[in-house]
Amino acid sequence: QSALTQPASVSGSPGQSITISCTGTSSDVGGYNYVSWSQQHPGKAPKLLIYDVSYRPSGVSDRFSGSKSGNTASLTISGLQAEDEADYYCSSYTSTSIVVFGGGTKLTVL
Amino acid sequence: EVQLVQSGAEVKKPGESLRISCKGSGYSFIGYWIGWVRQMPGKGLEWMGMIYPSDSDTRYSPSFQGQVTISADNSISTAYLQWSGLKASDTAMYYCVRHRGWLQPDYWGQGTLVTVSS
Repeated sequence: QSALTQPASVSGSPGQSITISCTGTSSDVGGYNYVSWSQQHPGKAPKLLIYDVSYRPSGVSDRFSGSKSGNTASLTISGLQAEDEADYYCSSYTSTSIVVFGGGTKLTVL
Repeated sequence: EVQLVQSGAEVKKPGESLRISCKGSGYSFIGYWIGWVRQMPGKGLEWMGMIYPSDSDTRYSPSFQGQVTISADNSISTAYLQWSGLKASDTAMYYCVRHRGWLQPDYWGQGTLVTVSS
């Protein structure tokens, strides 16, 4: 099971919107609506931001949104804030009933 | 409040065995898959495997099959990750994570740093 493909880095200025992509195959991202996104600040444990492609857990800002088209899922962060600077990871359920993560994307807020 | 509390940092020598733990609270421990995730220094998250405590069904990533063993003790709501012969390349932070519906990771432990060095 290969890792999902994410851009290594993205950047944006405060107030702007950015989108992080997560590309898999029909055996994972494209085959199921079970994609999640997690945020990890340096030295901290990851935190769930999005599940089931586009649902936010209670307490997560509505500036974070998720979507999917074909084999690619996306995380959009609107109204970028300094505190959003972190690493972001997608993950997906797979056809072999296990989990696969993306390689991670480092977001820099300029 | 759902919490996953992991055991403390470990320093081991190559070839030694090790078991680290993850204690769940605030939810029905036996009703959710518990997974383990490796993060090597400066690298991304790698899913290793998981266990369903209710029936001990265990699944592994092909990359980690045969390299580690995952187990659980329902009487104390604790999951374990075990090595029988550590290598320097096992040096990493290890996180346990609860999987919600369709195996999506929702709650994470604080991490256990494992250092393997001669």
